[in-house]
Amino acid sequence: ETGVTQSPTHLIKTRGQQVTLRCSSQSGHNTVSWYQQALGQGPQFIFQYYREEENGRGNFPPRFSGLQFPNYSSELNVNALELDDSALYLCASSLPGTARYGYTFGSGTRLTVV
Amino acid sequence: QKEVEQNSGPLSVPEGAIASLNCTYSDRGSQSFFWYRQYSGKSPELIMSIYSNGDKEDGRFTAQLNKASQYVSLLIRDSQPSDSATYLCAPYSNYQLIWGAGTKLIIKP
Repeated sequence: ETGVTQSPTHLIKTRGQQVTLRCSSQSGHNTVSWYQQALGQGPQFIFQYYREEENGRGNFPPRFSGLQFPNYSSELNVNALELDDSALYLCASSLPGTARYGYTFGSGTRLTVV
Repeated sequence: QKEVEQNSGPLSVPEGAIASLNCTYSDRGSQSFFWYRQYSGKSPELIMSIYSNGDKEDGRFTAQLNKASQYVSLLIRDSQPSDSATYLCAPYSNYQLIWGAGTKLIIKP
């Protein structure tokens, strides 16, 4: 059974650009959650997708958007990048109702905005 | 505003001693409580979960939960240099984890 995989591992973007981060969920897991972790801080919840629909969102502006595909993989899109978007972006997958038993995260994508 | 408070540290503990990490949370609706370990540059790794008041032991780790006091702790016995990391407390509520900023733990050989 494969775990959660994220790509790319690192990338550097310029302020104002757009970026897409990808997440492949663990086999059979139909719920995907995204978190942002700035340096020296705990992760912050961005949103969660279940069956291709967003069903929960944290305090992030609309320029953070996502998609979930029929195979349950997911994308996080960020438009009009700002310097403060520099962070580690984490993806976790779960089955409905099981997230309360704990997530396993992917290895993350380190985004640097210059 | 849901909050989770942790002492940022660093907490320095001699090898072989007990490390004690503490966390308080504000959301009384939290259903589950987790401790994650995070090495520098890596993603968080789940090490302990606890759901009801009291203690839960797993190997060298013991998690303690007191919902009335809104307090969670993690004890690490026989601390090893490999335990040096940042420990993040994360209650779960409304399909999301609410994270503290973490406590940096340093185990001195």
